[in-house]
Amino acid sequence: DVKVTQSSRYLVKRTGEKVFLECVQDMDHENMFWYRQDPGLGLRLIYFSYDVKMKEKGDIPEGYSVSREKKERFSLILESASTNQTSMYLCASSSSGGARSNEQFFGPGTRLTVL
Amino acid sequence: GQNIDQPTEMTATEGAIVQINCTYQTSGFNGLFWYQQHAGEAPTFLSYNVLDGLEEKGRFSSFLSRSKGYSYLLLKELQMKDSASYLCAVFMNTGFQKLVFGTGTRLLVSP
Repeated sequence: DVKVTQSSRYLVKRTGEKVFLECVQDMDHENMFWYRQDPGLGLRLIYFSYDVKMKEKGDIPEGYSVSREKKERFSLILESASTNQTSMYLCASSSSGGARSNEQFFGPGTRLTVL
Repeated sequence: GQNIDQPTEMTATEGAIVQINCTYQTSGFNGLFWYQQHAGEAPTFLSYNVLDGLEEKGRFSSFLSRSKGYSYLLLKELQMKDSASYLCAVFMNTGFQKLVFGTGTRLLVSP
């Protein structure tokens, strides 16, 4: 059974704190993604990675960075958390085979609240 | 640019049929996904269309017209557990492959 796990389901942080969100997948997928999901805005892509140590900016990268030191793990970093980063964060992974295999598998999400 | 539109909310009755539409304007189109997302849970895969036409899978079917930039998800014999958000996502290949999501359609099924 394929699995994407995220380190926390709920997280509360204070403005200015450095925040790490961890994501691990056990499917040997090449591609990993970080999204945030907000009411009325849908899922928006923050960063993605197609290989170890490789990263690409998504549609809303400002205020975030990422790290991918191992194939199975993709970390999202908020260098200095702000209240407008309060959101649901979803991690996903996919393989690099044919088009259908680009189905993304999602983790359960981390609901981050920044006070 | 890219634009994906779907209705914000729909309501239907148990046992009925509902059609959720999605229109898109994107570059580098390489297929369209539908995902289901129950409240507080992760999105899960429902269907994938890359060629024009209808794909049927049990109570759920998905249709694509590439020339019209249009897709729909058809849910038959609605059940209460079908109450969820339904996300339309275009798979783009513009150098890098990525999914671009619509804002989702929240479906409420009532008895």
